[in-house]
Amino acid sequence: ETGVTQSPTHLIKTRGQQVTLRCSSQSGHNTVSWYQQALGQGPQFIFQYYREEENGRGNFPPRFSGLQFPNYSSELNVNALELDDSALYLCASSLGRGQEKLFFGSGTQLSVL
Amino acid sequence: QKEVEQDPGPLSVPEGAIVSLNCTYSNSAFQYFMWYRQYSRKGPELLMYTYSSGNKEDGRFTAQVDKSSKYISLFIRDSQPSDSATYLCAMSETSYDKVIFGPGTSLSVIP
Repeated sequence: ETGVTQSPTHLIKTRGQQVTLRCSSQSGHNTVSWYQQALGQGPQFIFQYYREEENGRGNFPPRFSGLQFPNYSSELNVNALELDDSALYLCASSLGRGQEKLFFGSGTQLSVL
Repeated sequence: QKEVEQDPGPLSVPEGAIVSLNCTYSNSAFQYFMWYRQYSRKGPELLMYTYSSGNKEDGRFTAQVDKSSKYISLFIRDSQPSDSATYLCAMSETSYDKVIFGPGTSLSVIP
């Protein structure tokens, strides 16, 4: 059984640039959720994708967008990067829409300079 | 007031001690309660989840939920150095709702 994998592991960008983060869900899981974790904080829900449709969104601006592909892998796109976007971005997969059992990847550490 | 609060620690205990980790919350609609463990430079790992009030035990871990007090706890018995990590409580109103995480408590178990 393959776990959740994310790429890249680390990324450095400049303010105003755009970034794409990728996630492969755990085998058999059809739902992917994205979280932002600032240093010293708990993860904050960005949005969830279920069967290629956005299925819930947290308090993040529209410059945070995503996609889910037919193989259930997913992308998180962030436009017009701001310094406060510097964080660990976590992808979590689950079987179905239920959120009580999330399986997280190791995350992408994004630094915006 | 934040929706979910945790003492950030750090909490340092000797090996073999019983550890008590706690969270308080403000939203009385929360019904699903989870505990995650996060090692440095890793993603969170689900330890336990409970629905509504009551206790749940899994090996050395016991989760307790007191909805009347809006208070949840995780107890770790016979703590090991490998338990050193950040512990995140998390909760949601329904199984399908977004999960709200606490800020985490950093635990160190000293050999």
